[in-house]
Amino acid sequence: SAVISQKPSRDICQRGTSLTIQCQVDSQVTMMFWYRQQPGQSLTLIATANQGSEATYESGFVIDKFPISRPNLTFSTLTVSNMSPEDSSIYLCSVNPGQPGDTQYFGPGTRLTVL
Amino acid sequence: KQEVTQIPAALSVPEGENLVLNCSFTDSAIYNLQWFRQDPGKGLTSLLLIQSSQREQTSGRLNASLDKSSGRSTLYIAASQPGDSATYLCAVRLIQGAQKLVFGQGTRLTINP
Repeated sequence: SAVISQKPSRDICQRGTSLTIQCQVDSQVTMMFWYRQQPGQSLTLIATANQGSEATYESGFVIDKFPISRPNLTFSTLTVSNMSPEDSSIYLCSVNPGQPGDTQYFGPGTRLTVL
Repeated sequence: KQEVTQIPAALSVPEGENLVLNCSFTDSAIYNLQWFRQDPGKGLTSLLLIQSSQREQTSGRLNASLDKSSGRSTLYIAASQPGDSATYLCAVRLIQGAQKLVFGQGTRLTINP
């Protein structure tokens, strides 16, 4: 299993500013995933973060808007840059600490509101 | 492209009833299927994981089935309780694309006392 913490749990930000979300895992994992959940919607994968290499972004998400750091095997950050109200969402960090066929675990999420 | 659909979008039932939530997916090339629970404003809690070679998994009052050939899964909740009220999400793990999960839109379940 894995226990994941995220900071901040929620924030209210002004348009045009940036917010960095931190994700800490209690065990070493190869890949960490960042998801977005817009209001009333399901989860969409933003990117996969591998330690020691560039993150892999899904279609519709770009590094300039969502830069990701992965300095070690237990930590990652996601920055939401130049925010607009459309970025208001819950952002979730996720890991699969075992084999690909194992359970995937999610953090508690960061609820972001952009005014 | 894998698409995951959950029916119904919302369900409200009285306490004590047994109920079934449905999940369908378009591509049977999956590693496994996972059911999650999400409480309002919270993260996801894993409920059950079914490997592609399995037919069902059980945990307490929950039973999940998988028919990979037809692209369907069901989550059966027995003797529902008000504490079961939450949004239930199913997700399939693709064989291709690393360990990517593709989620359905969820079923919002309300159990009335």
